[in-house]
This record gives sequence, C-alpha cells and structure tokens, in this order.
Amino acid sequence: DAKTTQPTSMDCAEGRAANLPCNHSTISGNEYVYWYRQIHSQGPQYIIHGLKNNETNEMASLIITEDRKSSTLILPHATLRDTAVYYCIAYPNFGNEKLTFGTGTRLTIIP
Amino acid sequence: GAGVSQTPSNKVTEKGKYVELRCDPISGHTALYWYRQSLGQGPEFLIYFQGTGAADDSGLPNDRFFAVRPEGSVSTLKIQRTERGDSAVYLCASSQPGQGTDTQYFGPGTRLTVL
Repeated sequence: DAKTTQPTSMDCAEGRAANLPCNHSTISGNEYVYWYRQIHSQGPQYIIHGLKNNETNEMASLIITEDRKSSTLILPHATLRDTAVYYCIAYPNFGNEKLTFGTGTRLTIIP
Repeated sequence: GAGVSQTPSNKVTEKGKYVELRCDPISGHTALYWYRQSLGQGPEFLIYFQGTGAADDSGLPNDRFFAVRPEGSVSTLKIQRTERGDSAVYLCASSQPGQGTDTQYFGPGTRLTVL
C-alpha cells in the first residue's frame, strides 16, 4: 500500500472551512484515497473516498490533484464536534485488504 | 440500520487470564476485520475473514491470539495467557466487497486492560 503523509496537527476556527492535506506521492493507479476520522474514545468513522475525481457527500468534500499525488479533505463549516484525528489512507480498488493507518492529523476546532 | 457492535465495551482482566472479545458485523457483510489500537497510535491490522475462513491472519502478534467466525457472521477474538502489553482497544470492522472497492465500517471497540 502506498504510504501517506499528513501534518501532525491543525487548528481551525469554528464555522470556518477546515482543509486537511495528505500527500500520497507513491499511490498506484488502482488505489483509492480514503479518509476516516476518530473522535476520542470512538471507533474510526468513514468519511469519504475517491479515485481521481473530486467527491462530495454530506460530511465533506475530497479534492484530488490531477497527478493523484496529493489530496485535501474539506469540512466546509467546521463545528466543535469535528475535533478528531483524521486519517488519509491509500486502499486498493479490489478491496479485501487491511487498512494501513498512519498517525493522522489531530484537528482541533477552536470556539 | 444497525452498525457494527462489539461486546464488552470494557474488559479488565488479570495477567495470565483468558479473554474473549465479540464482534457483530453489519448484517450481510461477508468481510470482517480485527484491528488493535494502542494509546496514541493508529489502528493496526490483526486478522481478516472472508465468510468463515481467515483470509489473512498476518497481523496476529503471536499464537496467544486466535479468532473465529464459525457461521460467517459473529466473530470472537480470543487471547490466551494475557500480558500487560495486550492492553489496547480492539476494533472490529466489516465490509461488503462488491463492484469496485469496499468500505470498512468500524465498531466502537473493546477497551482491554490487563492488570
């Protein structure tokens, strides 16, 4: 699986957009970019995934660069409940594989 | 619908004891994964089931750890002769492989403390 690199921590003001970057320069053509988050003392929560097109759902937007070497997760209007550790993971499109978590980005939403 | 559930939510045991941790996957999901998460770290893979069989058990740390899924639904992770280093949150996830990739959905975890 391709290795991903994320900043260790970030702060964002409540109500503003939170933009979380992820570098995956060695991603292969058959790997999706997946994002999960983990709120304190809970299991990881699936957010969104994409292959090469930008994606949006009710939780977030995912912007993937054209060369697929990096991506950005966007939480459009951050709330205090979005404080969590966010993980970016490269995952093969045939599935049936383990998820390889890094240390993620600890996002703190500031009131 | 119901998500992945895990029981118990917390388990405290003494060094040397045997423990069982249970996972109920999302109904209809054929794939089931176990992960372990130590404090301050991301989850680490332990074992993956496709149906009743263990398709990949490469993450099990040693032979004290064993998992079963006899009917292809509920799974039990079994730890023999527990050690203090086994203390962690044990997470279960399930998915339904299909067209394209599959998304793993996690349960709340079982926090195991070995005294």
